[in-house]
Amino acid sequence: AQKVTQAQTEISVVEKEDVTLDCVYETRDTTYYLFWYKQPPSGELVFLIRRNSFDEQNEISGRYSWNFQKSTSSFNFTITASQVVDSAVYFCALSEAWGYGNKLVFGAGTILRVKS
Amino acid sequence: EAGVTQFPSHSVIEKGQTVTLRCDPISGHDNLYWYRRVMGKEIKFLLHFVKESKQDESGMPNNRFLAERTGGTYSTLKVQPAELEDSGVYFCASSPGQYSGNTIYFGEGSWLTVV
Repeated sequence: AQKVTQAQTEISVVEKEDVTLDCVYETRDTTYYLFWYKQPPSGELVFLIRRNSFDEQNEISGRYSWNFQKSTSSFNFTITASQVVDSAVYFCALSEAWGYGNKLVFGAGTILRVKS
Repeated sequence: EAGVTQFPSHSVIEKGQTVTLRCDPISGHDNLYWYRRVMGKEIKFLLHFVKESKQDESGMPNNRFLAERTGGTYSTLKVQPAELEDSGVYFCASSPGQYSGNTIYFGEGSWLTVV
């Protein structure tokens, strides 16, 4: 069975600090996809990144970076120089590669509070 | 391009009443999904439409929940009769095509409170 664990329930940082959100996953599939979503106070789930299981290259997008390590089944997310606008709930999710479309298994989410 | 839109954004109903949630996916997206997050729990998959057909409804909690997608465009999720434990956020999402690695785009959610 698939499972995603986000062990950090809540993190508080001061603006400009770097912060890493952890994500550990379990799957028996060799082909799968990993996602990160952000849920700001407005409620919408905003897509941040998708990574397939064959691409272990780390990715950087502005202040955001992701570290995918199959050896430890982790897909961690780092925000550099955090800002108040980064305050949100962040969800990591896993999807098998099956059939038509996909079905996401979510972690419990990490609440990030960035204080000025 | 319009994103996934959901209506109503908030709903408060009494136990035993009926509520119908509506979702308009991104135009052209064949796949439409319903997820929900009840208080303190993870976001859970409910079901998946491919066009107008139910591809997977394994996450539907019980027969009080009925989802439809007539004509393969918008979808409705009806809860009848609503129970207290149905309170939570119901997310709709859509994705294009058949590729299982496509990004799924979510709406803002419909917040349901059953009192």
